[in-house]
Amino acid sequence: EVRLVESGGGLVQPGKSLRLSCRVSGFTLKTYCMSWVRQAPGKGLQWVANLRQDGLERDYLDSVKGRFTVSRDNAGYSLYLQMNSLSGEDTAVYYCAREHCGNHYMDVWGKGTAVAVSS
Amino acid sequence: EIVLTQSPGTLSLSPGERATLSCRASQSVRGDYLAWYQQKPGQAPRLLMYGTSYRATGIADRFSGSGYGTDFTLTISRLEPEDFAVYYCQQYVSYVTFGGGTKVE
Repeated sequence: EVRLVESGGGLVQPGKSLRLSCRVSGFTLKTYCMSWVRQAPGKGLQWVANLRQDGLERDYLDSVKGRFTVSRDNAGYSLYLQMNSLSGEDTAVYYCAREHCGNHYMDVWGKGTAVAVSS
Repeated sequence: EIVLTQSPGTLSLSPGERATLSCRASQSVRGDYLAWYQQKPGQAPRLLMYGTSYRATGIADRFSGSGYGTDFTLTISRLEPEDFAVYYCQQYVSYVTFGGGTKVE
C-alpha cells in the first residue's frame, strides 16, 4: 500500500527553524518526484517545493527560496523540508505529495502536519 | 506566474443535480498539465482528474473534465452526498499553482 506520513510540525517562534519529515511506504523516492504543498488556515492550496527523482533538482515557491530546503535520505524513504527564518505567513498545514514527474499532478497525499508560527 | 481563477466560489446544489465548475488560466496551459482535486473538511486533497480529462484511479465516472488553452471545466453529472466538498484545479507550466477553489454545498 502506498502511504505518506508527515511529522515534525508544531508551534515555533518567528525567526526560528523547523524540519518536517515525510515517511513513504509502498514506493521509493528514487523513482518519483515529490512535492510539499501547504494550506494556511481557511485558505486554499499552495505549492511550496519539489524534488525530482534524481534527488538533486529542486524548485521552490519564490517566497520560500533561500529559507526552505527540500531533501531526502539516501535510502529513498524519507523526504524532508527544512524551514528556516519562519514567519506567521508560513503558518499552515504542510502536506507531502507524490508528484507525477511528467505531468506534475499529485496522486498520493499524506494527511499533513500543522505548523504554527507565533510568539 | 500563471493564475488560476475558479468560479463560482460557492455552488449551492442538491443531490442528483449537475455541477459545473470552471477554472480559467491567465495564460494558456497545456492540457497535459491540468488537474483537479477534491478536498473535504479536515482531510488531505484527493486527485480526481489529470491531463484535463483522465480520471484518477477509483474516481467515479460521474466526474468528467474538459477544456483547452485557458478554460477548463470539471463536471459532476449527478451529485452524490459524498461529493459536497471543495474542488481545486492545478496547473504546471514552470511550476505548480492551484486555483482558489470552488465549494460545492
